[in-house]
Amino acid sequence: GQQVMQIPQYQHVQEGEDFTTYCNSSTTLSNIQWYKQRPGGHPVFLIQLVKSGEVKKQKRLTFQFGEAKKNSSLHITATQTTDVGTYFCAVLIYNQGGKLIFGQGTELSVKP
Amino acid sequence: DSGVTQTPKHLITATGQRVTLRCSPRSGDLSVYWYQQSLDQGLQFLIQYYNGEERAKGNILERFSAQQFPDLHSELNLSSLELGDSALYFCASSSTIMNTGELFFGEGSRLTVL
Repeated sequence: GQQVMQIPQYQHVQEGEDFTTYCNSSTTLSNIQWYKQRPGGHPVFLIQLVKSGEVKKQKRLTFQFGEAKKNSSLHITATQTTDVGTYFCAVLIYNQGGKLIFGQGTELSVKP
Repeated sequence: DSGVTQTPKHLITATGQRVTLRCSPRSGDLSVYWYQQSLDQGLQFLIQYYNGEERAKGNILERFSAQQFPDLHSELNLSSLELGDSALYFCASSSTIMNTGELFFGEGSRLTVL
């Protein structure tokens, strides 16, 4: 079935360093969503990308959708301790009733 | 506060037992999704309902079942529980049938099977 691979699984950074997580699919995606889950919390929607080559920014976060719509990335500039959590990408499977499949997530820890 | 309510927050039970998890979606949302999150499996899609009807199914075990009621709340029933069923179960809702927008997640129900 449809799978989306997310790397890395873990990332430990010093506060102020940048962070990037990647999602890759073997098939063309209709769209991709990104969620953040704080430790002990629930996933919270960050953004949705739909267009080929799309780039969206939210303050220090930059989201990209690949030209072939098979990969996406989330980049955080100058991480802060408030960025700690697990970041998930999620893809919609239209031919299976619209279920949203999540990547394995990248757990980010930030050392002050 | 996402507006999605899940009960109970925590549940401890024994192997072989049956439990029911409840979810009330955001006001106006017709789609309800159930996900299982365990340490080694990430967020696994279980099932989706839209306005009372099953719309999509994931790798949901036969021991598990769900339904969405006319008032749009949903219940996930887990029976013949095994140790491996211990996990965090999330409910999420959205306003669309095909999830063209964001999912709003509840706080989750943490199930521990002893």
